[in-house]
This record gives sequence, structure tokens and C-alpha cells, in this order.
Amino acid sequence: DIQMTQSPSSLSASVGDRVTITCQASHDIVNYLSWYQHKPGKAPKLLIFDASNLEAGVPSRFSGNGSGTDFTFTISSLQPEDVATYYCHRYDLLPYTFGQGTKLGIK
Amino acid sequence: EVQLLESGGRLVQPGGSLRLSCAASGFTFSSYPMTWVRRAPGKGLAWVATISISGDFTSLADSVKGRFTISRDNSKNSLYLQMNSLRSDDSATYFCARGRRQVRTAVFFETGNFDLWGLGTLVTVSS
Repeated sequence: DIQMTQSPSSLSASVGDRVTITCQASHDIVNYLSWYQHKPGKAPKLLIFDASNLEAGVPSRFSGNGSGTDFTFTISSLQPEDVATYYCHRYDLLPYTFGQGTKLGIK
Repeated sequence: EVQLLESGGRLVQPGGSLRLSCAASGFTFSSYPMTWVRRAPGKGLAWVATISISGDFTSLADSVKGRFTISRDNSKNSLYLQMNSLRSDDSATYFCARGRRQVRTAVFFETGNFDLWGLGTLVTVSS
């Protein structure tokens, strides 16, 4: 199976900071990568699809980049409502896999 | 309103069985592939199973193969997960999720990302 290595596992930043999370695939997945936001008690929410496309209705401070094996997810200016756990997800081939998750908090 | 609503989760003993349901509303359920994803306590999201639009293709994670079955009833806008021989490591919140697309050939199947998720239903396996 193709594994996804996501880092960091947790981070804290100040409101207004730029935050970056990385995901590395064990094999080339082209651009078959999404990023999700998950808050406790809520449904996971799709933010970015096909590595760099912003899902409709998602604020433009969220962005994604990368192709092949190396991907990044960025929040350009952290807001209090962005406190959540973030996951990358590859969907090139079954079985699909998720990154381990990044728990994001506010300093 | 476009939504997915899971149900059926509860406390069950090891070795027991459970059937989860996912009711879809607000969209044409029969046009989308569907997936179950779970999140165990203190762990991240994990893909469990995927089913094609027509229901004739399914794929399951190795950890549940032979114990779980995914199915759907397009006439009832519903997705199901039959869970048998449950173990403590199956304890998790189970989410149903809609695949954005279906690309299918004789040797390839892909659903795209998951653009709609439910709130989840909690399964606890314990004696």
C-alpha cells in the first residue's frame, strides 16, 4: 500500500501566522491528493482537491501545492476558527490512505 | 439540504455483529460512489470500504476483509456496513462519505476525493 507521511503531528501558532503542513507519499500519486479539516463532533470538511484546487465556499486563506510525492497545505493567516485536525488523503489507487493528521491550535 | 446521516452505532461485545446505515438526502444518491471511513479514539482517519454506484464493485481494507461487507440500496438512498466478528480495535466513529466521481475500467477504479461527509456514528466494542 502507498503510505502517506504527514508532519508535523501537532503545532501551535498565533492568529495571523502563516501555517504549513506537509505530506509525502511513498510513491508517485500525481496530483490525487486532498486536504480535509476535522473538528470534534463535526463532519470532516473537504478544503483542497487534486492537490491545489480550492473547494467551493472554502476561504482563500487555505491553499495546497505539490505533485508526485511531495505536497504542502498552507493557511496564509491563521484564524481562531481554524483550530482543528487536518488530514491529507491520497485517492490514486485503492486502498486509499490518509496522513496521520496534524492537530492545529492557537498560541 | 444535502446531507448524509449515519446510524446504528452502539456498544457491542467482542465477536458480535452490527449493521451501520447511512441515509442520503438532497442529492441523487444513485449517481455517486460511496465510502466508509473510521476514526478510532486517539487516532486518525482510516479508509474502511468503498462501493461503486451500481453496487457491483466493492473494496475493503485488509483489516476488515472477511468480516465487514459494504452494500447500498439506491431505491432507499442508503448505504450500509455489515460488521461481523467485531474486535476491540474496531471501536471507532464511523463516517460515510460521498465520492466526487467514479472512473472505472476493467483494471482500475477511482472515486476521487470525498466531497460530502456525515457526522458519524460511534461503535464501541467491549465486554
